[in-house]
Amino acid sequence: SAVISQKPSRDICQRGTSLTIQCQVDSQVTMMFWYRQQPGQSLTLIATANQGSEATYESGFVIDKFPISRPNLTFSTLTVSNMSPEDSSIYLCSGGGGAGFSYNEQFFGPGTRLTVL
Amino acid sequence: KQEVTQIPAALSVPEGENLVLNCSFTDSAIYNLQWFRQDPGKGLTSLLLIQSSQREQTSGRLNASLDKSSGRSTLYIAASQPGDSATYLCAVPSGGYNKLIFGAGTRLAVHP
Repeated sequence: SAVISQKPSRDICQRGTSLTIQCQVDSQVTMMFWYRQQPGQSLTLIATANQGSEATYESGFVIDKFPISRPNLTFSTLTVSNMSPEDSSIYLCSGGGGAGFSYNEQFFGPGTRLTVL
Repeated sequence: KQEVTQIPAALSVPEGENLVLNCSFTDSAIYNLQWFRQDPGKGLTSLLLIQSSQREQTSGRLNASLDKSSGRSTLYIAASQPGDSATYLCAVPSGGYNKLIFGAGTRLAVHP
């Protein structure tokens, strides 16, 4: 298994600003993902964070709005840019793959609760 | 396109009851299925991962079964406790090592 931490755990931001969320895994993982969970909804994948290359975004999500970095096998960041109240959600990162993991198994961080005023 | 459905959407039971939560998926070509627990405003805790070649997985009072051919999984919770109150989510990979497709969840409340 993997232990995943996220910073910050929550934040309240003004519209038009940007917030960068950090995700740290306690072991090397092949895959890291970023999900969004809007109030009362289930999880939707934003993108796959690829080490050493550009992230792979899902339909409806673009790099200008959600730039992602993944400098190594244990760390990734997600930036929510030019925020509006519609971006108020819980943002979760997940990781999996590699030695000691079952194929396709993912572990999740505690989430970052974002409120945009 | 894979779709995951969970029923019931919400469940309220007295402590001590045995529970069955249901998950169905439209594309039976899955590698595995994961059950997660989410407490309000929190992240996801992985409960059980059941491989496509398996029929059951057990962890403590939890037992998950998988019937790939019919596109169904059930999560059985024995002797429920108030601490089991949470939302339970099932998820399947969409293909390869790829995104997880989540159901909408079952919101469980166990009252003393």
